[in-house]
Amino acid sequence: QSVLTQPPSASATPGQRVTISCSGSSSNIGRNTVNWYHQLPGTAPRLLIYRNNQRPSGVPDRFSGSKSGTSASLAISGLQSEDEADYYCAVWDDSLNGPVFGGGTKLTVL
Amino acid sequence: EVQLVQSGAEMKKPGESLRISCKTSGYTFTKYWIGWVRHMPGKGLECMGVIYPGDSDTRYSPSFQGQVTISADNSLSTAYLQWSSLKASDTAMYYCARLNVIRDINSSYWFDPWGQGTLVTVSS
Repeated sequence: QSVLTQPPSASATPGQRVTISCSGSSSNIGRNTVNWYHQLPGTAPRLLIYRNNQRPSGVPDRFSGSKSGTSASLAISGLQSEDEADYYCAVWDDSLNGPVFGGGTKLTVL
Repeated sequence: EVQLVQSGAEMKKPGESLRISCKTSGYTFTKYWIGWVRHMPGKGLECMGVIYPGDSDTRYSPSFQGQVTISADNSLSTAYLQWSSLKASDTAMYYCARLNVIRDINSSYWFDPWGQGTLVTVSS
């Protein structure tokens, strides 16, 4: 069981907006910033959002992140077929003294 | 350009030992943490542990403490993940990634970039 809780799946049609939630605790999300990664089948994970809401260069502004208290969210607007992937939230946990991941959310573009 | 290049796929038998590597370039190896992440078939990502090559400070996630050894060779700018006795349940893809850190009121730690992954298959 993951320290961070994500829904196992999400789906939406092209052009729609979808949000993926990530729930943690006071020792992780409550204290440190949240990152999001996506992983296309057969490829290595890639950084999507860091420091709650920062996008690395090359990541389109359709992707946005937010955090409130001990929860965080990833929003994808203008959904495209190539957004179909697994999405993971991650954060440093001060109690475990290391990084922890959510269980991952499989996004299906219908 | 920062790059992490991992060693190739391995096929081993239960009980055998193994060391996989993650060679870095494009930055000062001793100034950043490096982490190892396991991805088992059909499962999510799991951080196994991290190492700071500058002083060899190593931290293992509880599930992996005593199961693997993480090390680094500063002269080669390379990090390693090692097993002394593999089990079939170690079959997975393993990724290394550089951990970026900013410590302030809300500390920030994020993995970027990642290596391409090393597939480890353990089967009799």
